[in-house]
Amino acid sequence: KAGVTQTPRYLIKTRGQQVTLSCSPISGHRSVSWYQQTPGQGLQFLFEYFSETQRNKGNFPGRFSGRQFSNSRSEMNVSTLELGDSALYLCASSLDSPVYQPQHFGDGTRLSIL
Amino acid sequence: QQQVKQSPQSLIVQKGGISIINCAYENTAFDYFPWYQQFPGKGPALLIAIRPDVSEKKEGRFTISFNKSAKQFSLHIMDSQPGDSATYFCAASYLGGADGLTFGKGTHLIIQP
Repeated sequence: KAGVTQTPRYLIKTRGQQVTLSCSPISGHRSVSWYQQTPGQGLQFLFEYFSETQRNKGNFPGRFSGRQFSNSRSEMNVSTLELGDSALYLCASSLDSPVYQPQHFGDGTRLSIL
Repeated sequence: QQQVKQSPQSLIVQKGGISIINCAYENTAFDYFPWYQQFPGKGPALLIAIRPDVSEKKEGRFTISFNKSAKQFSLHIMDSQPGDSATYFCAASYLGGADGLTFGKGTHLIIQP
């Protein structure tokens, strides 16, 4: 069974631009969560989608948004990029609720802002 | 506000020794406590998880000990091997929580051969 796939693996952008990251969950998984990982703040929850609906949202500004498609694939978008947005963005999928079921992480998209 | 505090930040253990990583939480609503292992260039991978209705769970060389009254839980890696060298994260969550998994800051573990 294929794991969680995130594309692209690496991305370089400049301040003020916007970016879209993609995540394909494990087949059959309907919940997709996004996390930001930085050396200083560690792993922080961005949002979770289930059946094309955002179920939960972390404490991030509105510049961070996401969506989920009918095939459970998900995208996250960051607008008006800031230097502090440089991070590893991780996507995780689970069968249903991510609370009690294992979350399977992809290898992330490394975003660098110049 | 850091709701899950993890220690130590880094740990060096000799091959064959026991690695111990500790976590403490504040939110008494948490009722699911997983541990993740992350290698460089890879995403975190679930190692083992525990619910508060048990005080200990063992899977192979990995054991979680849970102390509900102290709001603490720990990961023990028995017979530590060089291949266990990685960053380990504890996490916590609860049904109805809006924050997904709340992670500790991580422990960088090095097993010396």
